[in-house]
Amino acid sequence: GAGVSQSPRYKVAKRGQDVALRCDPISGHVSLFWYQQALGQGPEFLTYFQNEAQLDKSGLPSDRFFAERPEGSVSTLKIQRTQQEDSAVYLCASRYGAGGYQETQYFGPGTRLLVL
Amino acid sequence: AQRVTQPEKLLSVFKGAPVELKCNYSYSGSPELFWYVQYSRQRLQLLLRHISRESIKGFTADLNKGETSFHLKKPFAQEEDSAMYYCALKMGQNFVFGPGTRLSVLP
Repeated sequence: GAGVSQSPRYKVAKRGQDVALRCDPISGHVSLFWYQQALGQGPEFLTYFQNEAQLDKSGLPSDRFFAERPEGSVSTLKIQRTQQEDSAVYLCASRYGAGGYQETQYFGPGTRLLVL
Repeated sequence: AQRVTQPEKLLSVFKGAPVELKCNYSYSGSPELFWYVQYSRQRLQLLLRHISRESIKGFTADLNKGETSFHLKKPFAQEEDSAMYYCALKMGQNFVFGPGTRLSVLP
């Protein structure tokens, strides 16, 4: 079956523009995560959804970042008034359940955002 | 505070040599630790988790609570092991990743 997909794969934005990044999780997966990965760093947690509920948004760096998953499947990460420091790879991951110890996160290919 | 540290950015070994990728963590609760791997041009994927006590592709990792470590080991490295390796700590639903170590296995 299809894995996690993300679009666009690459995005170039001018500073101050708004961007929207899409994640299509594996069908039927309850949990969805967003991460930000700066160059040379590991992924950093942004936010977590269980179905349509955003249960943890502690990692969102500012109020310019907003994520939603209105129907409990596709998710969108929106960044308003982009800044150069927002340049990074944005990773989405999904997981079948709510976090039993045997459950695995499946990652998408990422969206590489470059803010000029 | 850095919760997960991986002191080596790059580790180069020759094929057939033993390899150890270091990971230390800081967490007051009961830790749940993972190793993730990213091969060239591929997605980040789970390699192994401490709770399963499994060996995947010849790799093992033992949780040492006294030393707060979860080092990844393989007795005989192969060229196909060349990749980025990330140690990760699960804190609730939040996963904290280390900065990663690039393993290069030389022929």
